[in-house]
Amino acid sequence: SQTIHQWPATLVQPVGSPLSLECTVEGTSNPNLYWYRQAAGRGLQLLFYSVGIGQISSEVPQNLSASRPQDRQFILSSKKLLLSDSSFYLCAWGQTGQETQYFGPGTRLLVL
Amino acid sequence: GENVEQHPSTLSVQEGDSAVIKCTYSDSASNYFPWYKQELGKRPQLIIDIRSNVGEKKDQRIAVTLNKTAKHFSLHITETQPEDSAVYFCAASIGGSYIPTFGRGTSLIVHP
Repeated sequence: SQTIHQWPATLVQPVGSPLSLECTVEGTSNPNLYWYRQAAGRGLQLLFYSVGIGQISSEVPQNLSASRPQDRQFILSSKKLLLSDSSFYLCAWGQTGQETQYFGPGTRLLVL
Repeated sequence: GENVEQHPSTLSVQEGDSAVIKCTYSDSASNYFPWYKQELGKRPQLIIDIRSNVGEKKDQRIAVTLNKTAKHFSLHITETQPEDSAVYFCAASIGGSYIPTFGRGTSLIVHP
């Protein structure tokens, strides 16, 4: 069966520091991968999605970037964090050719 | 692009009552409609989904109905229990895009 992992689970970072969040999927190949952000008590904002290695589409221009160095690995990065980057970051995956998305456990980021 | 409206934003019911959450979508090309349940601090989890070639789908106490003509779909929960308390998100996907548009969420509170 398929499993999605995210780490770290929680992270406290100072303003201006870099960020790297990692997401990996097991038990499938060539998945569609997604990064979402969810502010406290709010909805889901799609940040990036990828349909293959090196293929990244951005939905919202901001100080974040994403990379997919391996088939089942998706990384969310920032060179300099802002206070407004504090949020719950969720990775999701879907089978190629299917619409259903499955979410990872999320990373709770607090920028101070 | 697709636009999904979800109502109500908050729904409070007594244990044992039924709960109904409604979503409308704008693009008639949408053909896949999932519902997610998100408990406090947890990831969204898929609870039921429906495709445009089906008008209704049931899974125990949960059902989803779809009206393609009116472009709306609803989640029905019968015999609600306190553990049904969560935020519920609807979404709509245009065929072949694999990028769902989410509603803003409904906070369901079931009072014992």
